[in-house]
Amino acid sequence: DTEVTQTPKHLVMGMTNKKSLKCEQHMGHRAMYWYKQKAKKPPELMFVYSYEKLSINESVPSRFSPECPNSSLLNLHLHALQPEDSALYLCASSRLLAGSSYNEQFFGPGTRLTVL
Amino acid sequence: DQQVKQNSPSLSVQEGRISILNCDYTNSMFDYFLWYKKYPAEGPTFLISISSIKDKNEDGRFTVFLNKSAKHLSLHIVPSQPGDSAVYFCAASGGAGGTSYGKLTFGQGTILTVHP
Repeated sequence: DTEVTQTPKHLVMGMTNKKSLKCEQHMGHRAMYWYKQKAKKPPELMFVYSYEKLSINESVPSRFSPECPNSSLLNLHLHALQPEDSALYLCASSRLLAGSSYNEQFFGPGTRLTVL
Repeated sequence: DQQVKQNSPSLSVQEGRISILNCDYTNSMFDYFLWYKKYPAEGPTFLISISSIKDKNEDGRFTVFLNKSAKHLSLHIVPSQPGDSAVYFCAASGGAGGTSYGKLTFGQGTILTVHP
């Protein structure tokens, strides 16, 4: 199984709503990532989890709250978002090789988020 | 500060000919480079990678060349097919350990169109 799955595919939410994005992989990868991608731009890293612990937070606003309940699952909890947060949210996973930057990340299909 | 640059926003090629996509980087700590292909509203798909100890890596129709002294890499697709039409992102990782570990830095992408 070489797939990263993400749910939902599309999400529309108001600025006062609370919602969550989910990501799952069964490749035994111990690193998982959240990216945000705006139209015609490259993916922008938000968070990295290594062995279920948050290792990188790219100064993301606190209205985005990541969670890694186990080695296969990654969530992104959303609260009080702004219209400018509308984007494609991508999850990725990779192996973790100690002391190595060999880092082939495998991406899910993304969640298209629209904030009204 | 754009550490990975793809200076050609778009490239148009005839079916059967060679497509050459270019990428330049500035950070000498990068030691692993990847190419991803992305269709609209989908996650990036990993294509091919190369470590800094090599200057060429080949996989079927795809070949990546790395010129470390020039801090330049290129992706060659031969022969090009209409199904190759997509956005191609170059990405780099490096500085194993510390806060850079697990982070991919992406270029802005090049839109490849292969005409039948």
